[in-house]
Amino acid sequence: EIVLTQSPATLSLSPGERATLSCRASQSVSSSLAWYQQKFGQAPRLLIYDASNRATGIPARFSGSGSGTDFTLTISSLEPEDFALYYCQQRSNWPLTFGGGTKVEIK
Amino acid sequence: QVQLQQSGPGLVKPSQTLSLTCAISGDSVSSNSVAWHWIRQSPSRGLEWLGRTYYRSEWFNDYGLSVKSRITINPDTSENQFSLRLKSVTPEDTAVYYCASGGVGTNFFHYWGQGTLVTVSS
Repeated sequence: EIVLTQSPATLSLSPGERATLSCRASQSVSSSLAWYQQKFGQAPRLLIYDASNRATGIPARFSGSGSGTDFTLTISSLEPEDFALYYCQQRSNWPLTFGGGTKVEIK
Repeated sequence: QVQLQQSGPGLVKPSQTLSLTCAISGDSVSSNSVAWHWIRQSPSRGLEWLGRTYYRSEWFNDYGLSVKSRITINPDTSENQFSLRLKSVTPEDTAVYYCASGGVGTNFFHYWGQGTLVTVSS
């Protein structure tokens, strides 16, 4: 099973700042990685798939990069609605697995 | 736009069977390009993929190793929905359960149900 490790666990930032979230895989997943946003009491929402492709309706301030074992989700300028939990997920190997999450909180 | 609507009990007794249903609108459970998944989330286990069903001239299923001996995911073409059955539950199966869908080849989750908190307790 591929283990995805996300860091940091919590990111404290102010609106307008840049957020950089990391996801590291225990073995290569090529570009087969997605990012999700989850707000309290809601289901996760797909943001990025195949490492760098924005899902439908996702604002351009969200971008993804990386391949192999190291991936990054960048939010260029945080909006108030971006403070939430973020998860990565790999589809390279079965079973499909998720990272433990990064909480982006208001500083 | 695909919408997934979950239904099922929020409380299940230990050793019994957890049963949830996910009704689909905006797509067909028999679509040749989509897979239908169940995922759960708990504080102790995080997000955990449980399994999927999909149609490619016949029905296929894949299940996660941690639940493989206890899980069944079935499509219901007459009602355009799919179901989850998890037998012999314990308190460790307490979680929010989600249905989700995505391309068969991509295995990313584009659409999600609203989630159902299932508590296993006597």
